[in-house]
Amino acid sequence: DAKTTQPNSMESNEEEPVHLPCNHSTISGTDYIHWYRQLPSQGPEYVIHGLTSNVNNRMASLAIAEDRKSSTLILHRATLRDAAVYYCILRDVIQGAQKLVFGQGTRLTINP
Amino acid sequence: DTAVSQTPKYLVTQMGNDKSIKCEQNLGHDTMYWYKQDSKKFLKIMFSYNNKELIINETVPNRFSPKSPDKAHLNLHINSLELGDSAVYFCASSQVPSGAYEQYFGPGTRLTVT
Repeated sequence: DAKTTQPNSMESNEEEPVHLPCNHSTISGTDYIHWYRQLPSQGPEYVIHGLTSNVNNRMASLAIAEDRKSSTLILHRATLRDAAVYYCILRDVIQGAQKLVFGQGTRLTINP
Repeated sequence: DTAVSQTPKYLVTQMGNDKSIKCEQNLGHDTMYWYKQDSKKFLKIMFSYNNKELIINETVPNRFSPKSPDKAHLNLHINSLELGDSAVYFCASSQVPSGAYEQYFGPGTRLTVT
C-alpha cells in the first residue's frame, strides 16, 4: 500500500502557480520523497525528489516540511502540458532496486 | 534516442494464449522493472531485476515469467492469458542508487485479452 496521501484532483489556471500537497506521516529517516507524473497515454515521468531540504529543478520545486511528514510540489507557471496525474512516492530500496509504490495520485487539470 | 522502448505497443489476443512483451533500455542502467496499470489506473510494480538477478517479485501469478538475457533487456512472458490480464504494462529502468536516482519508464504496452 502507498505510504502517501494526496487529494484526488486539483484544478488551476494556465500560467498560475500550482501547489500539490502530499502527506507522508510514517516517513522514515532514510526515505526519499519522489514525485512522478503521468501524462495521458504515456508512462510515468520523473519530476523531482528530495530528502530533507527544498529542491528546485527545471520542472518544479519541492518544499519539504521540517518534520518531513508532508511535502508540496510546486509548478511555478502551469501550462496546458502540465495536465497529468501527479504521484508522490516514498522510495524504498531493496538490494539495489528501487521500489516505487504508486498511490492514486492527484489528477491536475489546467484551464486555459 | 528512445531511452526505454517496449514492443509491441498494442497486443490483442485471446484467452489461453501465450504472449511476450519485450523491453530494452539504452541508458546503461543496472536495474529494470515491470509495472502493471489496470483499468482503474492503479500502477503496481510486478518485478525488478538487478544485473539479470530477480530482486522484486510482488506476488504475481507464476503465469508471468520475466526473463533478462542481459542487463539492457527485460522481457515479460505471460502464459495462459486471462481476461484479468488486460492492462497497460510499463517497463522501467534505473541505476543502482547511491543517491536517489529516478526511474525511466517506457511508453507502455496495452494488452487486451478477449
